[in-house]
Amino acid sequence: RKEVEQDPGPFNVPEGATVAFNCTYSNSASQSFFWYRQDCRKEPKLLMSVYSSGNEDGRFTAQLNRASQYISLLIRDSKLSDSATYLCVVFNTGNQFYFGTGTSLTVIP
Amino acid sequence: NAGVTQTPKFQVLKTGQSMTLQCAQDMNHNSMYWYRQDPGMGLRLIYYSASEGTTDKGEVPNGYNVSRLNKREFSLRLESAAPSQTSVYFCASSEIGWVTQYFGPGTRLLVL
Repeated sequence: RKEVEQDPGPFNVPEGATVAFNCTYSNSASQSFFWYRQDCRKEPKLLMSVYSSGNEDGRFTAQLNRASQYISLLIRDSKLSDSATYLCVVFNTGNQFYFGTGTSLTVIP
Repeated sequence: NAGVTQTPKFQVLKTGQSMTLQCAQDMNHNSMYWYRQDPGMGLRLIYYSASEGTTDKGEVPNGYNVSRLNKREFSLRLESAAPSQTSVYFCASSEIGWVTQYFGPGTRLLVL
């Protein structure tokens, strides 16, 4: 079983739409959780960390459900510039980060 | 600050050739990582160095060696390249293990 699983998409949404991505992780002892964004042929960059209480950064909201081992990312009022691949990342005991395969988002004018 | 830098940006090798990918960071981070990214596989950890003087295997270490030369530099060596090592290689660093990682721009490697 993979450490981190994501729906690969693609998600094609119109500008202004709300879109949600989900991610599940297999190790209940996982310690830290993140969403990264990766543009085509570029390096991943941190979008936001995910905290147990949930957190928001502008149009982006991240949620963590430890009981269900589930992480989500909600993007409201989608912009063309949000088009990218979104990577779910989990840090486990053993000092290793595990990446999901990514969810592709295209925002359409 | 340059952040994390990687050289070269692109490389073509023939099967059996060797090469070293270089990575350096100027953020005084303790931990450094090497990943490979393949279509449909996501990023997979090859090796990491939790601190200067230590290195550990990740998920896919076979065919690779690493050297943590000092706090700034972490190199990845392919001793005898194989076509299966065709990939995009990313170096990353973080202050300590479980916080934000910063990535270099990547090295695109093609092994013929």
